[in-house]
This record gives sequence, C-alpha cells and structure tokens, in this order.
Amino acid sequence: ETGVTQSPTHLIKTRGQQVTLRCSSQSGHNTVSWYQQALGQGPQFIFQYYREEENGRGNFPPRFSGLQFPNYSSELNVNALELDDSALYLCASSLRAGAEQYFGPGTRLTVT
Amino acid sequence: AQTVTQSQPEMSVQEAETVTLSCTYDTSESDYYLFWYKQPPSRQMILVIRQEAYKQQNATENRFSVNFQKAAKSFSLKISDSQLGDAAMYFCAMGNYGGSQGNLIFGKGTKLSVKP
Repeated sequence: ETGVTQSPTHLIKTRGQQVTLRCSSQSGHNTVSWYQQALGQGPQFIFQYYREEENGRGNFPPRFSGLQFPNYSSELNVNALELDDSALYLCASSLRAGAEQYFGPGTRLTVT
Repeated sequence: AQTVTQSQPEMSVQEAETVTLSCTYDTSESDYYLFWYKQPPSRQMILVIRQEAYKQQNATENRFSVNFQKAAKSFSLKISDSQLGDAAMYFCAMGNYGGSQGNLIFGKGTKLSVKP
C-alpha cells in the first residue's frame, strides 16, 4: 500500500509568482485535505476535497485554490505569492471526511 | 470558535522514563474526536492515537495512552518507556463530524527531547 506522496519536496519562488503543489493520496482514500504549517506553528487547514468537490475551506484568501482529479490526487495552487506564504504545505488523505488523516512529507515553499 | 492549546512548548524525558504531554481544547460541538500526531525532524506527520469524544474509555496504542477528561476538555498523552525515537514535535488536534469535516484544528505543538 502506497502512502501519501507530495511533490516537489522544496520550492523557491519570487513574490508575485504562481505555484502548484501536488499530492497523491493513499490507495483507497477519496478525501484530501491541505494544510499550511508556518515555522514553529501547528498546521492550519486550507481546504478539503471529497470526490473532486471542495468540501470545506479554512480562512485562506481565494488566491489559494485547489483541484482533485478522478484518481483522487490533488493540486494546491497559490497565485500572487506573498512572503508570508513561505511555509510547509502538508497534504493528508483519508477514507472519508471525519476518518483518520494520513499525511504526506510536505512541500517546503520559500517565497523571496 | 474551536481552539486547541498546548501549554508546554518543550518537554524533556530520560530514556525509559514516562512523560505526559498536556492538551486542552474548547468546542461547542457535542460530537468530536481528538488526535495526537508526531512530527519528527523528517517533517512527516504520523498519527499516534485517536480518541472519540463519545467513548469514556481512554485510548491506548502500545506505549502511548491518553487521559481524556471530557468535562475538563483535557486530552493528555502519556508516553511510557520513552525511546530515543520518540523525540519529535507532538501536536494535539481536534476534528468534528459536523460542518467542514476536514477541518482538523491543531495546537502549536510540544517539542519532546529524549535524553539517553
């Protein structure tokens, strides 16, 4: 059974640019959640996708958007990058909303 | 608003000893669940233990156990026979079945060091 994978591992972008982060969910999991973890903080919920539909969103601006594909993999897109977007972005998959969430290794985004 | 508070930024334990990490939470939901996650320096968040709020019995997973006090809104993690591999950031998290079910709310974490 393959766990949750994320790509890329690290990314450096310039303020104002756009970025796409990718996540492959664990086999059999149809729900994917994205979190932002700033340095020294706990993860903060960005949004969740269930069967290709957004199923909840945290307090993040619309320039954070997502997508889930028929194979349940997912993308997180961030437009007009700001310095404060520098963080570890975590993806988690689960069998269903409310079940245990299993996390990927994260993508470290640095905005300069 | 739902909140999770971890009041111990750092803790230290001697190898083979027992340590307890504290967590308090606040919610108006009657049906919710609680987790402890471990995040080693490798960054990957690992699920340690889960507790359903409707269950009175405290969850246990090998050397890890919780003390769930629903009335006090307290959810502490006890690690017995601590091992060097237990050194990590530990996060307490809460989720609920209503509304946005994907919304896990995390505390700020406790950094656990294990001394040989």
